[in-house]
Amino acid sequence: GAVVSQHPSRVICKSGTSVKIECRSLDFQATTMFWYRQFPKKSLMLMATSNEGSKATYEQGVEKDKFLINHASLTLSTLTVTSAHPEDSSFYICSARGTDGRQDTGELFFGEGSRLTVL
Amino acid sequence: RKEVEQDPGPFNVPEGATVAFNCTYSNSASQSFFWYRQDCRKEPKLLMSVYSSGNEDGRFTAQLNRASQYISLLIRDSKLSDSATYLCVVRRGNQFYFGTGTSLTVIP
Repeated sequence: GAVVSQHPSRVICKSGTSVKIECRSLDFQATTMFWYRQFPKKSLMLMATSNEGSKATYEQGVEKDKFLINHASLTLSTLTVTSAHPEDSSFYICSARGTDGRQDTGELFFGEGSRLTVL
Repeated sequence: RKEVEQDPGPFNVPEGATVAFNCTYSNSASQSFFWYRQDCRKEPKLLMSVYSSGNEDGRFTAQLNRASQYISLLIRDSKLSDSATYLCVVRRGNQFYFGTGTSLTVIP
């Protein structure tokens, strides 16, 4: 089945620095990937939809300049948290729609998640 | 109104019990339905898709009621390893909508 890999799984950084998280589809091409944020014991919150070759679509309330998304290829999307602050500490997860190579199979496959801690 | 509504629980049940979760969705144009399982500090993983005719996978049974716009998940003979959060996910077009998740703890 489709596999999505996310890296790094954990990152600790100082306040004011930028952190890049990568999301790769390993055995399929993903024209669309999704980025989520999850707080402890809360549901996934969609941050943005990443579209290959075009600008990401951000959800209301998500700062585009704060969370930079780049989807430069069919297998890679990146999320950069710029000028990170402690309140950005969270669990960030990416996902992509599964495909059998010919068509969208419908379900979502998730990366392993990245736990960001900003000191 | 939320796209997907789900009782957050928690559900605490003894081993061997049968437990059922429900989830309602607001948009009748929703196309696909899924149950995902999420363990603590892990990513969600697909448990099963939900088909109109209902489907079963071992101890798990999923059902869809389009008229009433709800989906359900039934877990029979609960195991300790079933303890997790169960997410209801609804797809419409290019978008996926998540329930808040239902927390299940199976007690020895």
